[in-house]
Amino acid sequence: EAGVAQSPRYKIIEKRQSVAFWCNPISGHATLYWYQQILGQGPKLLIQFQNNGVVDDSQLPKDRFSAERLKGVDSTLKIQPAKLEDSAVYLCASSRTNTGELFFGEGSRLTVL
Amino acid sequence: AQSVTQLGSHVSVSEGALVLLRCNYSSSVPPYLFWYVQYPNQGLQLLLKYTSAATLVKGINGFEAEFKKSETSFHLTKPSAHMSDAAEYFCAVSLQGAQKLVFGQGTRLTINP
Repeated sequence: EAGVAQSPRYKIIEKRQSVAFWCNPISGHATLYWYQQILGQGPKLLIQFQNNGVVDDSQLPKDRFSAERLKGVDSTLKIQPAKLEDSAVYLCASSRTNTGELFFGEGSRLTVL
Repeated sequence: AQSVTQLGSHVSVSEGALVLLRCNYSSSVPPYLFWYVQYPNQGLQLLLKYTSAATLVKGINGFEAEFKKSETSFHLTKPSAHMSDAAEYFCAVSLQGAQKLVFGQGTRLTINP
């Protein structure tokens, strides 16, 4: 089966600009996650969707980050305006319900100058 | 809230030597525990998982981990290191039945020829 697809793989922007990342999960996976991985750290959960509803967004900086999962399939994560500290790899993952096993995409690396 | 601590941000072993990566968890209820591996510029890949069945869990590429409740540990081992094992390894915890993974800081494994 096809894996989790993410785009773009790399993005360089200046601070205060906006950026959007796209994710298409594995077919049939109801749960979708966005994680932020800063260099040298473990991934940190930003938001979790179950179908098209938000399950957990407690660590999402809602003043600048937004995410949606229309129709319960693919998802978009947006940052506006970006800050220097947003430089990171944004990982999308998906899972079947109640398995505890996440499948990750290759990530989108963001550099904010 | 659950958390994991990985002891040692960098581990270096010789090819053919034992690999031991340490992970301790904190959880108020019985957890699910995972080890993921991340190769350069790639997403995370599941190595193995503990979900309250056998305490000794075997994973891919010859890795295994043992759940020790008395020590709150889930250390990852491999009897003989191979050059291809060089990567970043992440321990993660979730609550049983939950879908949210909390990751440790990661351990970078280097294999010396």
